[in-house]
Amino acid sequence: EAEVAQSPRYKITEKSQAVAFWCDPISGHATLYWYRQILGQGPELLVQFQDESVVDDSQLPKDRFSAERLKGVDSTLKIQPAELGDSAMYLCASSKTGTSGGRRYQETQYFGPGTRLLVL
Amino acid sequence: GIQVEQSPPDLILQEGANSTLRCNFSDSVNNLQWFHQNPWGQLINLFYIPSGTKQNGRLSATTVATERYSLLYISSSQTTDSGVYFCAVIKWGGGNKLTFGTGTQLKVEL
Repeated sequence: EAEVAQSPRYKITEKSQAVAFWCDPISGHATLYWYRQILGQGPELLVQFQDESVVDDSQLPKDRFSAERLKGVDSTLKIQPAELGDSAMYLCASSKTGTSGGRRYQETQYFGPGTRLLVL
Repeated sequence: GIQVEQSPPDLILQEGANSTLRCNFSDSVNNLQWFHQNPWGQLINLFYIPSGTKQNGRLSATTVATERYSLLYISSSQTTDSGVYFCAVIKWGGGNKLTFGTGTQLKVEL
């Protein structure tokens, strides 16, 4: 069964350093999502791509976070500079896009194993 | 935005017991998913169930969209069922993003 791949699985960095996370979605999934999950809470969406275009980045702290999906396949999420409060699990997910009554909708989202970030 | 609440927040079961987890949401939704997050953090899809009932082995789920709730049933629980169970909803027009609930922390003991 195809899976969403993420790397690295764990990252420890010092504050003010730059970090980058990579995600490879399930083949054929046009929609890719980055979520952040703080310990004890549910994941929250940071950014959503449809192919190579950003469709929702309203919760992305754009002063320090950036995301790209240049060829509409894999994606990179970057933090520069990292802050203590960025310590969290970063999850990538992907889904197919379906159509119903002329309207596009997202099918089941599948999640990768995540990257645990610790900022010291 | 839409609010998603789950109950109970914590649950401890003896192996072999049955349980019901509940998810309430504050507005009509177009999609609902149940996930199990294992102790290593992996989110595993359980059900995609905007309405109706589905079953998969020892697990089953029912969503009553008109009353804005969903239930996840776990029968004959096993220690491997331990972890956090999340429901998450999508409302079209709200950016098509999953809004996650507060989660239910389940521990199954021998």
